[in-house]
Amino acid sequence: DVKVTQSSRYLVKRTGEKVFLECVQDMDHENMFWYRQDPGLGLRLIYFSYDVKMKEKGDIPEGYSVSREKKERFSLILESASTNQTSMYLCASRRAGGLPYEQYFGPGTRLTVT
Amino acid sequence: GESVGLHLPTLSVQEGDNSIINCAYSNSASDYFIWYKQESGKGPQFIIDIRSNMDKRQGQRVTVLLNKTVKHLSLQIAATQPGDSAVYFCAENTGFGNEKLTFGTGTRLTIIP
Repeated sequence: DVKVTQSSRYLVKRTGEKVFLECVQDMDHENMFWYRQDPGLGLRLIYFSYDVKMKEKGDIPEGYSVSREKKERFSLILESASTNQTSMYLCASRRAGGLPYEQYFGPGTRLTVT
Repeated sequence: GESVGLHLPTLSVQEGDNSIINCAYSNSASDYFIWYKQESGKGPQFIIDIRSNMDKRQGQRVTVLLNKTVKHLSLQIAATQPGDSAVYFCAENTGFGNEKLTFGTGTRLTIIP
């Protein structure tokens, strides 16, 4: 089974802090994704990565950056956390060329910025 | 800017009854549609998908219907069970090379014992 893990289930940070959210997948997938999930807004794509050291902006990249130094790991960085970044963050991975439904999600990190 | 404080549509169904969850999609060029189930504390899990050249597809206790004329997608769950309680999302496949999915806002389904 594909396993996507995220470093923390719950995280509380202060405004202005730099925040790192880590995601690791164990299936050698090329594609990885970061979403944020808010009630009534569904999942919105922040960034995705086709492969190591490659990244593409999603629909809401402002205030975020990413890093993909190794194939299995995709990090989401909040350079200076703000209260409007309080949300559930979901990571996903998919093999290149796979069918659209073959996107596997991690359990999520609930981030609260105070 | 983003909106806050939006409510998630909800649906309550008696255990054993059938449920229908609806979704309107945005892109008439989308060629692939997916339903996900998200249980509390977990990430979304794939339920069923349908290609744009089909109008119906059945799985185990689930059926997806696609109406391209009105850009509408529905998920029917037969003989609902307590384990069906979850948030359900539709997603459409847009973008280059099938990498990107666009998700709906979700519906919370509650099964009443």
